[in-house]
Amino acid sequence: DSGVTQTPKHLITATGQRVTLRCSPRSGDLSVYWYQQSLDQGLQFLIQYYNGEERAKGNILERFSAQQFPDLHSELNLSSLELGDSALYFCASSVDPSPGYGYTFGSGTRLTVV
Amino acid sequence: GDSVTQMEGPVTLSEEACLTINCTYTATGYPSLFWYVQYPGEGLQLLLKATKADDKGSNKGFEATYRKETTSFHLEKGSVQVSDSAVYFCALSVQGAQKLVFGQGTRLTINP
Repeated sequence: DSGVTQTPKHLITATGQRVTLRCSPRSGDLSVYWYQQSLDQGLQFLIQYYNGEERAKGNILERFSAQQFPDLHSELNLSSLELGDSALYFCASSVDPSPGYGYTFGSGTRLTVV
Repeated sequence: GDSVTQMEGPVTLSEEACLTINCTYTATGYPSLFWYVQYPGEGLQLLLKATKADDKGSNKGFEATYRKETTSFHLEKGSVQVSDSAVYFCALSVQGAQKLVFGQGTRLTINP
C-alpha cells in the first residue's frame, strides 16, 4: 500500500456520461497530480494541485476538471465522455509543490467508456 | 521542451541474464532523474533516483548512473529474476517545474 488511495478501482460508463474519480494523498503530502495512461499516449500529465490551489496544467481537455479540497483529497471530473477517454487514471502525491524527490502513485482507476 | 526517450520494448530475457534499459533525456537546466516500475495491475512505484551528475541510484539490485555528458540514465541489473517482469519508466523533473516527464515505458518479461 503506497498510502495514496484512489476510488473507484474500476468504472464502466456510457458515452456522454459524467464521472468523478477520487484521490486521497499520502498523509502529509500537499501536492496531488493527475495522470492519464493509455496504450497509445503513454503517461500524460493532466493537472497538479498544491494545498488546494491549481499549480500546473498539462494536456487536460476542457471536458475534464479537477479540484483539491481543504482536507487535501482531490477529485477529477470527466464529462461528455467519449470512447477515447477510456484509460487508466492515476493520482500521485508529494510533499513539495515541485516533485524533485519523486511522487507516490496510487493504484489507479480504470475507466472504460462503452 | 523537456523529454525522455527510452529503448523500445518489449524486452524478453532469461532468468539470471544481465539487463540494460537505455534512457536518454533532453532538459533545460539540471534535472533529477528517476526510474519507476509498474507491475501488472498496479500503480507506478519509485525504483530509484539520482539528483545530480555522477550520482548512482540503486535499489533491489537495480542501478542507474546520472551521466550528464551523455544525458543518459540507463537502468542495469546483473542478474534478473522472473519477479522483475514489469514495465519500467524513466522520468525527469526539472527544478521549478511542477511535474515529472515520463518516457514511454519499456515492458520487460523474464522467462524461467
